[in-house]
Amino acid sequence: GDSVTQMEGPVTLSEEAFLTINCTYTATGYPSLFWYVQYPGEGLQLLLKATKADDKGSNKGFEATYRKETTSFHLEKGSVQVSDSAVYFCALILNTGGFKTIFGAGTRLFVKA
Amino acid sequence: EPEVTQTPSHQVTQMGQEVILRCVPISNHLYFYWYRQILGQKVEFLVSFYNNEISEKSEIFDDQFSVERPDGSNFTLKIRSTKLEDSAMYFCASSTRPGANEKLFFGSGTQLSVL
Repeated sequence: GDSVTQMEGPVTLSEEAFLTINCTYTATGYPSLFWYVQYPGEGLQLLLKATKADDKGSNKGFEATYRKETTSFHLEKGSVQVSDSAVYFCALILNTGGFKTIFGAGTRLFVKA
Repeated sequence: EPEVTQTPSHQVTQMGQEVILRCVPISNHLYFYWYRQILGQKVEFLVSFYNNEISEKSEIFDDQFSVERPDGSNFTLKIRSTKLEDSAMYFCASSTRPGANEKLFFGSGTQLSVL
């Protein structure tokens, strides 16, 4: 079935370090891909998305490129800040007008000052 | 930005008891969802709801679960007879429409603990 696999956390980085959180997916058809972020005490918020192969989603310095050949959507940021500490969820939804978003398990990021 | 609100933030209940988790979706949204996350596991889809009926549900959403939109603002998830394995964080979400390009707006969740 359709699924999303993320790298396990927690990931601990120092401020200004480079961040990569890996995400791969399995899907029948051609999904849209998303990264959601959950800050402490809050709900999930959409961070960025890409709807077709080779699209790059970007927001708040984060980027992810839809790689169909490797079925991946890795999240990157060139210089993390303490305020980026959160849980990051990779997700997909199939382009069939469906109602169901499929999430990965989430990766917790800690950024130290 | 408009918010989805969920109450309570924490709910503790005894096994076998009924619980109702409450959500107030964003006012102009038409599609409503429940997801859950058992500690350390994936965020799992439970059910979607549109036009006063269930649109899609997962295998998790068995006869113990039900959803309702009792008035114009609330969207509730009821678990009739809770089990230990129902302990999880339950997230409500809403959107203006379904589909691949649609952003989901999530509440901050209700942590359900079944003892």
